Amino acid sequence: GQSLEQPSEVTAVEGAIVQINCTYQTSGFYGLSWYQQHDGGAPTFLSYNALDGLEETGRFSSFLSRSDSYGYLLLQELQMKDSASYFCAVREGAAGNKLTFGGGTRVLVKP
Amino acid sequence: DAGVTQSPTHLIKTRGQQVTLRCSPKSGHDTVSWYQQALGQGPQFIFQYYEEEERQRGNFPDRFSGHQFPNYSSELNVNALLLGDSALYLCATKGALGANVLTFGAGSRLTVL
Repeated sequence: GQSLEQPSEVTAVEGAIVQINCTYQTSGFYGLSWYQQHDGGAPTFLSYNALDGLEETGRFSSFLSRSDSYGYLLLQELQMKDSASYFCAVREGAAGNKLTFGGGTRVLVKP
Repeated sequence: DAGVTQSPTHLIKTRGQQVTLRCSPKSGHDTVSWYQQALGQGPQFIFQYYEEEERQRGNFPDRFSGHQFPNYSSELNVNALLLGDSALYLCATKGALGANVLTFGAGSRLTVL
């Protein structure tokens, strides 16, 4: 079946670095993306990898290894506002908008 | 910039009732997808509409149906509500960066009692 596995919760202090891993098992693969969701809010797009390697967007970076069916999101210089849930998602089909999401990783940033 | 607008924001229904949720995408965004997000879980794909037709469907029963209007706005209908239908229902559109980059609305929080 299709599944994405990510840790349920991570706690870190301000200024630290957090890595959220995501392993996937899907019928197709057309990219791994990451979304952030604050409590009560909508998921918002953070980063996307279609090819192997590292993508950097400010304090956030995302990595993909298609041969390992693995990716991660790296959050650097953590700030209190980064406390949120983070979801990895895979697009399995060449057409359409269907994304399959992981269960989410809740990141708690402490002062 | 209100990318995607959803209504209502919150609603409470009882088992067996029917509900209609609405989504208005940003101007020019013609593809609308609906997701269900149970508390503490990731969003699950319900279906996608394009050119007023359902194009893809996730693993949801026929009680879940939808519609897209000529102005690209969309409705999600759920019949014979069950307690397990309690969730946040999210509408999403595909942005200029492609199908992996979705813009979500704030959602409609449905509670079934």
